[in-house]
Formats: sequence, C-alpha cells, structure tokens
Amino acid sequence: GAGVSQSPSNKVTEKGKDVELRCDPISGHTALYWYRQSLGQGLEFLIYFQGNSAPDKSGLPSDRFSAERTGGSVSTLTIQRTQQEDSAVYLCASSPYHVGNTGELFFGEGSRLTVL
Amino acid sequence: QQQVKQSPQSLIVQKGGISIINCAYENTAFDYFPWYQQFPGKGPALLIAIRPDVSEKKEGRFTISFNKSAKQFSLHIMDSQPGDSATYFCAALNQGGKLIFGQGTELSVKP
Repeated sequence: GAGVSQSPSNKVTEKGKDVELRCDPISGHTALYWYRQSLGQGLEFLIYFQGNSAPDKSGLPSDRFSAERTGGSVSTLTIQRTQQEDSAVYLCASSPYHVGNTGELFFGEGSRLTVL
Repeated sequence: QQQVKQSPQSLIVQKGGISIINCAYENTAFDYFPWYQQFPGKGPALLIAIRPDVSEKKEGRFTISFNKSAKQFSLHIMDSQPGDSATYFCAALNQGGKLIFGQGTELSVKP
C-alpha cells in the first residue's frame, strides 16, 4: 500500500519568501507528526496532530511556522518569511494508533528546503 | 530543551563486531522507548522498541537494554554487517503521544 507522501521533495527559495510543504499520511492513520532534520541536529519535533484534538504545537520554533490538518488527513506546514536557518529536511510521519499505545511512526522521505 | 541525549555521534565498527549506542532521558513520564534506523535519502523506520517494565528485548541481532533507575537505555547490534551502516535514533514517547528523538548516531560498519 501507499506510504506517507510528501511534496515537494526539494524546494529552493529565497530568503523572505513563504513556503508550503504538504504531507499525505497513510489512509486511516489518526496521528500525524512534523519533524525537522538539520545536519547533526537529530530529529526536532515541530507539531503533532491526533484525531480531532487540539494539536501539540510546542515544538514550533517561531510564529513564522504554522501547520494545518484538513479533514483529519492531509497536512500543510507553512513557513512564512523564510530565513537561511530554516534550511533543513522536513519530515512528516503518521501513526494508526491511539495516543500512547506505541511509538511506531511511519515516515515519509521528507521535503528538503534550501533557503538562499 | 533536549530530553533525550544520545551518544556517540558517530561510530565505526568492523564487520562482525558489536555496535553499542547509548541514550539517557530526563522525563520519567515517558512510557515507550523505540529505536529508529535511517538510510540516506529515506525517512526513519522503526527498528525495535521496549517498554520500561522490561529490562531487555532482543530481536535477531538487535538488543535493547533498559535501566529504569538510571534512566538509560542502549542498542546493541551483534555481528554488525556493512548493511547495518545507517543513522540510528533513540526516542521516547510520552503519555500524550509526543515522540522525542535523540540526536542520532551515524554508524559505519567496515568490511
């Protein structure tokens, strides 16, 4: 079956521009996560959606970052007024399980963002 | 605030040797501890996981050792193979469903 799909796979933008990154989770998965992976920095938690609950936004680094999840499925991560330090791979993951049952997330291959 | 600390940052092991990666956590509210494996250009994938009421879990050549009192856990890869060369992440799941990752260990297994 289809895995987690992310688009675009690569995005080059100029400093100050806005970007949108899209994530299509595995059908039926109720939990959706966004992480940022910078060189040597591991996987930085950004935001977590679970069903119809209010999202956990505690990892968003600034108010330039926002995310939505429409209809409990597709999610969009938006970065406004991009800065060079935003350059990273943005990874989306989904999980079929209720909160707390398991730590198995299914990751997409990521969107590589380069801010010039 | 980094809640899961992982070491070493990189590791080189000879084929057939044992690879050991260590993690420590601070928050006692974590209740599930998975390890993820990531190959270049791919997203991480679950390798093996353990709950804190178990001290050890083994799956094939991969073993997690867990020390609840010390708030530490480690991954052992026995008979390491070149195909095991990847980046490994430990993680901790809190009761709210939030999964926090360590900084990652880049493992290289030399033939």
